[in-house]
Amino acid sequence: KQEVTQIPAALSVPEGENLVLNCSFTDSAIYNLQWFRQDPGKGLTSLLLIQSSQREQTSGRLNASLDKSSGRSTLYIAASQPGDSATYLCAVRAADSWGKLQFGAGTQVVVTP
Amino acid sequence: NAGVMQNPRHLVRRRGQEARLRCSPMKGHSHVYWYRQLPEEGLKFMVYLQKENIIDESGMPKERFSAEFPKEGPSILRIQQVVRGDSAAYFCASSRTSGGPSNTGELFFGEGSRLTVL
Repeated sequence: KQEVTQIPAALSVPEGENLVLNCSFTDSAIYNLQWFRQDPGKGLTSLLLIQSSQREQTSGRLNASLDKSSGRSTLYIAASQPGDSATYLCAVRAADSWGKLQFGAGTQVVVTP
Repeated sequence: NAGVMQNPRHLVRRRGQEARLRCSPMKGHSHVYWYRQLPEEGLKFMVYLQKENIIDESGMPKERFSAEFPKEGPSILRIQQVVRGDSAAYFCASSRTSGGPSNTGELFFGEGSRLTVL
């Protein structure tokens, strides 16, 4: 059974620092891994999707890496801003699934001005 | 291009009543997924549907919960005889296809429907 863990559970950094969010999964037979952002009381915004054959994806200040063999993904957010404050969720889709995602519990990020 | 639309955004029901949550997928998407986020818990998969078919309902409670995605109209998640433990945020997601060489299988989520059972 796939288990997804996100560390740390919460993170507070001053504005301008780089953020490093970790996600680990127990079963390396994945189809893809998706990072989301969730603001309080809101839905999920897709940030980056990495296919199992890829090593990383980049979008603006965001970079996500994937090491499938070790069951790890890392989301880097460069030069953090107060607007980056949110909960970040990692979700894994198994190779044999129909699109069912297994979510981590999330990392709650606060960027202080 | 409108995103995934869910309604109502907030719903209050008394114990024993029925709750109906609606989801319209993104244009061009034929796959719909329902997830539930209980207070202080992560998102859990409930059900995956294509038009007129339930593909995977392994995450659905065996009783009181049902889902459909008719040929015309939105997908509906129905909860009968609600109890306080049903209070949660219910999210709908859609994708173009389930995956394959020409498709990333990326899921796009709606804003959620927040059910409160009194």
